[in-house]
Amino acid sequence: NAGVTQTPKFRILKIGQSMTLQCTQDMNHNYMYWYRQDPGMGLKLIYYSVGAGITDKGEVPNGYNVSRSTTEDFPLRLELAAPSQTSVYFCASAGVYEQYFGPGTRLTVT
Amino acid sequence: GENVEQHPSTLSVQEGDSAVIKCTYSDSASNYFPWYKQELGKRPQLIIDIRSNVGEKKDQRIAVTLNKTAKHFSLHITETQPEDSAVYFCAASLMDSSYKLIFGSGTRLLVRP
Repeated sequence: NAGVTQTPKFRILKIGQSMTLQCTQDMNHNYMYWYRQDPGMGLKLIYYSVGAGITDKGEVPNGYNVSRSTTEDFPLRLELAAPSQTSVYFCASAGVYEQYFGPGTRLTVT
Repeated sequence: GENVEQHPSTLSVQEGDSAVIKCTYSDSASNYFPWYKQELGKRPQLIIDIRSNVGEKKDQRIAVTLNKTAKHFSLHITETQPEDSAVYFCAASLMDSSYKLIFGSGTRLLVRP
């Protein structure tokens, strides 16, 4: 039982490039979330999903897109990367209450 | 929408002393309040949570109290140890169909040996 896994662990992007952050969970959780954590700051919700085929915006969705075609996977897409998107990105999943976090992806946009 | 404020932003205590971190929330409909611990370079992990139908919950050296009237809740760590050093985040949730959490800005706790 791997829990929540994320790839890649680290990535450096040039301004204007695009990429997809992968998130997979093997706990059969319906709820999945994407957060960003800027240095020394809290976690801000980007997007979330309550089940396959259903997604919705969180607090800071601009510049990102998501999809949820299966229960297990919840990829986050960055289009036209900007320096303001430099952050650590965490994916989480939940059965009901407790959210289980992945190890994070550290993204730098230069 | 919900807003969660957390204080203090940093807290330094001597090993063996107690530490208290406080959070306030804005939406009176929020009814679930977890606390997460994040060690340097690691993922956040749930350490304790409380629902609005109880006022206090304990788990060994950790306790959480909730005052729904005042819309604030607190984390209490007793007999602190160096391994308690980390960043602690509070969060609040409406527990609606999304179960999404709104996080506070975090408290960096340093326990001095």
